[in-house]
Amino acid sequence: GAGVSQTPSNKVTEKGKYVELRCDPISGHTALYWYRQSLGQGPEFLIYFQGTGAADDSGLPNDRFFAVRPEGSVSTLKIQRTERGDSAVYLCASSSVGNDNEQFFGPGTRLTVL
Amino acid sequence: SQQGEEDPQALSIQEGENATMNCSYKTSINNLQWYRQNSGRGLVHLILIRSNEREKHSGRLRVTLDTSKKSSSLLITASRAADTASYFCAPPSNAGNNRKLIWGLGTSLAVNP
Repeated sequence: GAGVSQTPSNKVTEKGKYVELRCDPISGHTALYWYRQSLGQGPEFLIYFQGTGAADDSGLPNDRFFAVRPEGSVSTLKIQRTERGDSAVYLCASSSVGNDNEQFFGPGTRLTVL
Repeated sequence: SQQGEEDPQALSIQEGENATMNCSYKTSINNLQWYRQNSGRGLVHLILIRSNEREKHSGRLRVTLDTSKKSSSLLITASRAADTASYFCAPPSNAGNNRKLIWGLGTSLAVNP
């Protein structure tokens, strides 16, 4: 079946602009995760959803970052007033209940803030 | 925090040799996962080992887990140039039922033809 997909694959924006990053999880996966990764670093946790609700948003760096998953499937990560330091690859993963939390990752969105 | 820490940070070997990467973590876990990443994108799940398992095999991969030492190792046998990638261990958060994974810097493996 289809894996996790993310759009766009690349996004270039100017400092101060608003961006939305989309994640389509594997069908039926109830858990969805957002991470971001800077060059030479491991992924950094941002937020994860169980169904429609955010189970843990402790990794969101500040209130410019917000994520939603209104119907328990697709999720959108929203970044307001982007800053150059937001440049990174944003990764989405999903997992199903009871599979030892094996997470399946999408290809990521590379965000570049000029 | 429950961060996986990989060792070494970089490893360069010749094709056909074995590669061993180590991971240490801080608190009790139910399981630990290993992932591979090529060119900074696309994390691929390799193997999951549960806390009641000591060793697990998948093809040319062998993972061990020593819960008393809070450490795990990933062995790739008969390495190939295509194994060149970064490898991460990912223990879960130690906060109750929290399912987030906490990542280290990974081991960058270069397999030279």
